Amino acid sequence: GQNIDQPTEMTATEGAIVQINCTYQTSGFNGLFWYQQHAGEAPTFLSYNVLDGLEEKGRFSSFLSRSKGYSYLLLKELQMKDSASYLCAVDQTGANNLFFGTGTRLTVIP
Amino acid sequence: IAGITQAPTSQILAAGRRMTLRCTQDMRHNAMYWYRQDLGLGLRLIHYSNTAGTTGKGEVPDGYSVSRANTDDFPLTLASAVPSQTSVYFCASSQKQGASEAFFGQGTRLTVV
Repeated sequence: GQNIDQPTEMTATEGAIVQINCTYQTSGFNGLFWYQQHAGEAPTFLSYNVLDGLEEKGRFSSFLSRSKGYSYLLLKELQMKDSASYLCAVDQTGANNLFFGTGTRLTVIP
Repeated sequence: IAGITQAPTSQILAAGRRMTLRCTQDMRHNAMYWYRQDLGLGLRLIHYSNTAGTTGKGEVPDGYSVSRANTDDFPLTLASAVPSQTSVYFCASSQKQGASEAFFGQGTRLTVV
């Protein structure tokens, strides 16, 4: 089975940095995805981590620690358009799909 | 434009009626999925298909059926809709199951009354 936990909501200020955490417990782990979902829209891919460490992609970075069952998404220089839900998803060994957390709704305020 | 398309975008359906949600992709992806998204519960897998001609049950398959006659199409059928099936339904595809980026359709908002 799998258990994925994320904070439900976060608020941050435009221009600031925010870190969204995700912890997981799974029987077999192949990798972790982060998706962004604006209200009323489809989720879109942000990042994928399979090895420990930090993956940087522009203003967004994602970190993974396999031994701790922990990942975070780091958003720098926040913009109003970053207000969205951020979904953590785990690829479990032998599974046919990704398992998603319930998502973190981020609100960026001026 | 390459991608994944769902139809309809929204629907109000009377309880007991049959409904098919359509999903088509033109990326030649092998794997396709149907998820439902409900407040507080996140995305939950209904059914999946790893390749044309095969399907499997996900986390919440009851009341739903799927078919995969070809690579591109993956329709989801509600045989007799119930109010608890009110949700937003997302179809997704990926090159292969598991560790592969999934692309999502724009979603179908279904209300069963």
